[in-house]
Amino acid sequence: EPEVTQTPSHQVTQMGQEVILRCVPISNHLYFYWYRQILGQKVEFLVSFYNNEISEKSEIFDDQFSVERPDGSNFTLKIRSTKLEDSAMYFCASTKQEQSNYGYTFGSGTRLTVV
Amino acid sequence: AQKITQTQPGMFVQEKEAVTLDCTYDTSDPSYGLFWYKQPSSGEMIFLIYQGSYDQQNATEGRYSLNFQKARKSANLVISASQLGDSAMYFCAMREPTTNTGNQFYFGTGTSLTVIP
Repeated sequence: EPEVTQTPSHQVTQMGQEVILRCVPISNHLYFYWYRQILGQKVEFLVSFYNNEISEKSEIFDDQFSVERPDGSNFTLKIRSTKLEDSAMYFCASTKQEQSNYGYTFGSGTRLTVV
Repeated sequence: AQKITQTQPGMFVQEKEAVTLDCTYDTSDPSYGLFWYKQPSSGEMIFLIYQGSYDQQNATEGRYSLNFQKARKSANLVISASQLGDSAMYFCAMREPTTNTGNQFYFGTGTSLTVIP
């Protein structure tokens, strides 16, 4: 069964450093998303991406964050200057269609720890 | 208003017993999808079951079934014959159709299920 692949599974970084989280969505999916989950809390929407541009972003997704689809297969989330509060599980998701009966396929997540 | 409400932060169930995890939702759209995901301690998000708003029958997937009560806007997950491996966090989620391509997916706060041997 097709999967959304995320790398790395765990990343430890120093505060102030830049990190890039990588995702390979399912190949025939058209809509891509990043979510995050701070430990013990709910899953929060960050950004959606369609047709090579951001279609929606949340308040969390400030100027420190950016997304890119550099080569038609990878979908990356960059955090320019990490803060302690960026420590969370980051999930990439993709879906094929806009219809509500299509769920999102989630990756296994990247656990980001900022020290 | 919250799109998805899960009122049980934690639940315990005896192995081999059935357990119901509650979920209520809020939408004014007649077309929507309801989903349950399992998140074990390793962190990944595993899709369990889907119910469409127009589906006449409750969804079932193996030991998982969804008790869909449309008028009450509830979509409870029933796990039959609980196993130790069912211990995890469970999230209810809803997808609404929109005319844009932005976020349509809303998660509840989750229920932590512990299966007791």
